[in-house]
Amino acid sequence: AQSVTQLGSHVSVSEGALVLLRCNYSSSVPPYLFWYVQYPNQGLQLLLKYTSAATLVKGINGFEAEFKKSETSFHLTKPSAHMSDAAEYFCAVSRAGTALIFGKGTTLSVSS
Amino acid sequence: GAVVSQHPSRVICKSGTSVKIECRSLDFQATTMFWYRQFPKKSLMLMATSNEGSKATYEQGVEKDKFLINHASLTLSTLTVTSAHPEDSSFYICSARDSGIVTDTQYFGPGTRLTVL
Repeated sequence: AQSVTQLGSHVSVSEGALVLLRCNYSSSVPPYLFWYVQYPNQGLQLLLKYTSAATLVKGINGFEAEFKKSETSFHLTKPSAHMSDAAEYFCAVSRAGTALIFGKGTTLSVSS
Repeated sequence: GAVVSQHPSRVICKSGTSVKIECRSLDFQATTMFWYRQFPKKSLMLMATSNEGSKATYEQGVEKDKFLINHASLTLSTLTVTSAHPEDSSFYICSARDSGIVTDTQYFGPGTRLTVL
């Protein structure tokens, strides 16, 4: 079975500070890993995905994530937070062709 | 990129009525679509996997007679909430799988907010 654990349901940063959202996964097969962002009352927007190619994945809006098999982690980072980054972030895991299994989400707050 | 639409975006209905939600892949064929449910401030829960031309596969605990899924074409899946009750109020999101060899990517619809009075 596959699962993801997002450490920290709420992360607060100041504008311009580093953003680090943590995600650990469990999978018996090589996983596909994803990060999505959701703004209030909206659907999901894909930030980035890992599908067994480069371990450092660059996504949209300056986000990136690194797949670390030894740590079973796929943490999301952004060097400098913007106010517009405040949203709900979901880490997800899947195998090819299967549904995504989502973590519980992390709310990112950005203060000025 | 690929687009998935959902209709309606919002629906309010009376308890006991049925509501149909459509999920369409606009520029690709999707043999597989997935239906998720999201409660307020909660994660997405997979409800069922919809396969074109065959019966949907439901996750444990999801009532298949209450949440009817039909995937009659390669671009359309529908979710019908039958005899809706207030506890069915939720945000329903579909995703469609682009099974092209290169991508095998899933694209999410914008979601449907269901409120049952």
